[in-house]
Amino acid sequence: DAGVTQSPTHLIKTRGQHVTLRCSPISGHKSVSWYQQVLGQGPQFIFQYYEKEERGRGNFPDRFSARQFPNYSSELNVNALLLGDSALYLCASSLVVTMNTEAFFGQGTRLTVV
Amino acid sequence: GDSVTQMEGPVTLSEEAFLTINCTYTATGYPSLFWYVQYPGEGLQLLLKATKADDKGSNKGFEATYRKETTSFHLEKGSVQVSDSAVYFCALSDLDGNQFYFGTGTSLTVIP
Repeated sequence: DAGVTQSPTHLIKTRGQHVTLRCSPISGHKSVSWYQQVLGQGPQFIFQYYEKEERGRGNFPDRFSARQFPNYSSELNVNALLLGDSALYLCASSLVVTMNTEAFFGQGTRLTVV
Repeated sequence: GDSVTQMEGPVTLSEEAFLTINCTYTATGYPSLFWYVQYPGEGLQLLLKATKADDKGSNKGFEATYRKETTSFHLEKGSVQVSDSAVYFCALSDLDGNQFYFGTGTSLTVIP
């Protein structure tokens, strides 16, 4: 069975540009979350979507936005890129949204802003 | 707010040595606790979890016990292998299951 897939795996953008990252959850999973992992740090929560509705938002500026599609895939958009946005962006999917539910992570998209 | 504090790394051990990685948490109520592992160039994989006080999670020789009285969830393994070299993250899930709070990670290198 396919795991969580993310695309692209790597990309390089210039400051001020816009970027779209994509995520396909495990088949049957209805929840998708996005995390930012800066080098040497733990992942930081950005968004969670469940059944196409936003369930949670982390402490990130409005330049960050996301959505979930009817097939439960998701996009993360970042506008007006800053150097500090350089990070590994991780997508995680889960079957349901409960405190005990395991999240399955993709391999991430490595974003470099120059 | 909720948070996780994790032992600073990096940690270097010889093969077959005993491993402990300390993790303490601050949270409202009694969250579920997790250990995730990240191998080089990969995403995070669940290693083990515990959902209530005194639960012991275990997997691949790793163990961690949910200690409510000390708000801790330390990771242990009796005999590490070279293949255990990775970064280990302690995490908790908020009560609604909306997000994970991760520690900063502990890098483990096991040398033959």
